[in-house]
Amino acid sequence: QVQLVESGGGLVKPGGSLRLSCTASGFTFSDLYMSWIRQAPGKGLEYISYISPSGTDIIYADSVKGRFTISRDNAKSSLYLQMNSLRAEDTAVYYCARTARQGDYWGQGTLVIVSS
Amino acid sequence: DVVMTQSPLSLPVTLGQPASISCRSGQTLVYSDGNTYLHWFQQRPGQSPRRLIYRVFNRDSGVPDRFSGSGSGTDFTLKISRVEAEDVGVYYCMQATHWPFTFGQGTKLEIK
Repeated sequence: QVQLVESGGGLVKPGGSLRLSCTASGFTFSDLYMSWIRQAPGKGLEYISYISPSGTDIIYADSVKGRFTISRDNAKSSLYLQMNSLRAEDTAVYYCARTARQGDYWGQGTLVIVSS
Repeated sequence: DVVMTQSPLSLPVTLGQPASISCRSGQTLVYSDGNTYLHWFQQRPGQSPRRLIYRVFNRDSGVPDRFSGSGSGTDFTLKISRVEAEDVGVYYCMQATHWPFTFGQGTKLEIK
């Protein structure tokens, strides 16, 4: 069955960096777009980025453009989100999701807290 | 950005009764490939979102048939024919036609 397991969250100071990982199983990872979506505590959902199977088609929400970098390693069935220049408003649970337009499976999420 | 407006935001329902959630988009959601990328998600307390309905009316595998989706263009609806206790949670519509993909504010379903 499809499984997506995020890791790498934690507490970081404003201006700091963090790298999130998502390990996929149960499907052919290299065939599909993958995405990152976040949810601030007690708030709604924000779609922040997606990447094509080859990594050549990448898009970001304006709120993270220039600070976050999505990438993937198909050999390891892994998706990554490098987050730099973190701000308090980046505090959220970060989910990886399978595909872009379909968003059919989501992981359990990893919590990122940006605070001094 | 395409604004997705859900109503109601709070939905108290008696067990066994029907429920309906409306989702309206600020622009048509028909994509250039002819598909309408409007999905519905359920987020139970303490869990990650789970997709229930994709592309307006297609039910995901394992989703009870008491859930149904309908609509077109800019107006969409999620219906639950008979609410059960396990349906408690927050329901979101999401459009994936226009970037950035956007979600409705969420509708919190609770048992009366």
